[in-house]
Amino acid sequence: NAGVTQTPKFRVLKTGQSMTLLCAQDMNHEYMYWYRQDPGMGLRLIHYSVGEGTTAKGEVPDGYNVSRLKKQNFLLGLESAAPSQTSVYFCASSSLQGLNYGYTFGSGTRLTVV
Amino acid sequence: GDSVTQMEGPVTLSEEAFLTINCTYTATGYPSLFWYVQYPGEGLQLLLKATKADDKGSNKGFEATYRKETTSFHLEKGSVQVSDSAVYFCALGLFGNEKLTFGTGTRLTIIP
Repeated sequence: NAGVTQTPKFRVLKTGQSMTLLCAQDMNHEYMYWYRQDPGMGLRLIHYSVGEGTTAKGEVPDGYNVSRLKKQNFLLGLESAAPSQTSVYFCASSSLQGLNYGYTFGSGTRLTVV
Repeated sequence: GDSVTQMEGPVTLSEEAFLTINCTYTATGYPSLFWYVQYPGEGLQLLLKATKADDKGSNKGFEATYRKETTSFHLEKGSVQVSDSAVYFCALGLFGNEKLTFGTGTRLTIIP
């Protein structure tokens, strides 16, 4: 089982550049999430989706956009990267019953904006 | 709103010591409770869970009991190993909500 796959694993961007992070899950999960994790360890929710074609804002959505055109994929976009977006980004997914079973997380994307 | 409060770290213990990481929660209903572990350079993995009061979750020698009366879900292990060094997150989920609520994480370091 691949579970949740994030690409790329590492990326360095210059300020103002754009990029897209891809999250793919093969578990037929309805819910998908994007988090960022900064030094100090806490997770902050950026955006999430409760199904194909839907998206919703989390705690820290500014500067990011998302799309869920296919159920298995959840894309996170940075239109104009800023140094404050240097972070480790994690994608997660869960089923409709996920609150009883928890999330499945990807292994993360380490992004540095210089 | 719903919240999770975790014991602040970092926590440093010697190998074979007893571990407790405290977690308390506030929720409007009857949540499911989770502990996740994050090893260095990796994503979060589900360690254990409990879905109703008095349930005990266990895995890899770790245990946590869902205590409704004290709104707690403390993580314990009787004898820690160097390989247990990681960051531990407590989380809750409520039926009808669309996402889990996480604590801030506790970094655990075990020294030989």
